[in-house]
Amino acid sequence: KNQVEQSPQSLIILEGKNCTLQCNYTVSPFSNLRWYKQDTGRGPVSLTIMTFSENTKSNGRYTATLDADTKQSSLHITASQLSDSASYICVVLRNTGGFKTIFGAGTRLFVKA
Amino acid sequence: NAGVTQTPKFQVLKTGQSMTLQCAQDMNHEYMSWYRQDPGMGLRLIHYSVGAGITDQGEVPNGYNVSRSTTEDFPLRLLSAAPSQTSVYFCASSPDRLGDTQYFGPGTRLTVL
Repeated sequence: KNQVEQSPQSLIILEGKNCTLQCNYTVSPFSNLRWYKQDTGRGPVSLTIMTFSENTKSNGRYTATLDADTKQSSLHITASQLSDSASYICVVLRNTGGFKTIFGAGTRLFVKA
Repeated sequence: NAGVTQTPKFQVLKTGQSMTLQCAQDMNHEYMSWYRQDPGMGLRLIHYSVGAGITDQGEVPNGYNVSRSTTEDFPLRLLSAAPSQTSVYFCASSPDRLGDTQYFGPGTRLTVL
């Protein structure tokens, strides 16, 4: 079954600290993996997109990694800020032709002052 | 550019009523899609379109209709609202390549009583 599992479900950290969010997937055939940030009451916004051959992709303080062999990805946030409080969603695109995106349920991150 | 816009932002319906959720984009994107987001679950694809005049079903199409008469607009119609359709609905668009990043609208929060 094509699935995307994210952990933890929620996370609380102090401002200035680093954190890592995990994404495991069983989607096949794999096309690309994306991380989105979703602020409360808003639509998701793209952070990174990685294809099979890419191991790391950065966007400011956000760094995503991909291990296509173990089918795992992580999103590392450096020097967290209050504005990082949001849900982070991992999305995998199936390469079947057509439009087949599989969304994870997200990790809810709370950054406290 | 306004990006992807959705109206209304909030809506309350009674069981059996019908309504149309509006979605428009001004980026000349070919792909448009509708998702629903329920607590604890990933976004699920309802319907999508790969261009004007072309639509197809996603993962959870029952109870919803779509049409795509122009590149800009992609309305979602609820034929006879049910409490199970209480959700947050997101419209998204992307350029004409399958792997491109999706741009999401702000969402419509629908409650069916």
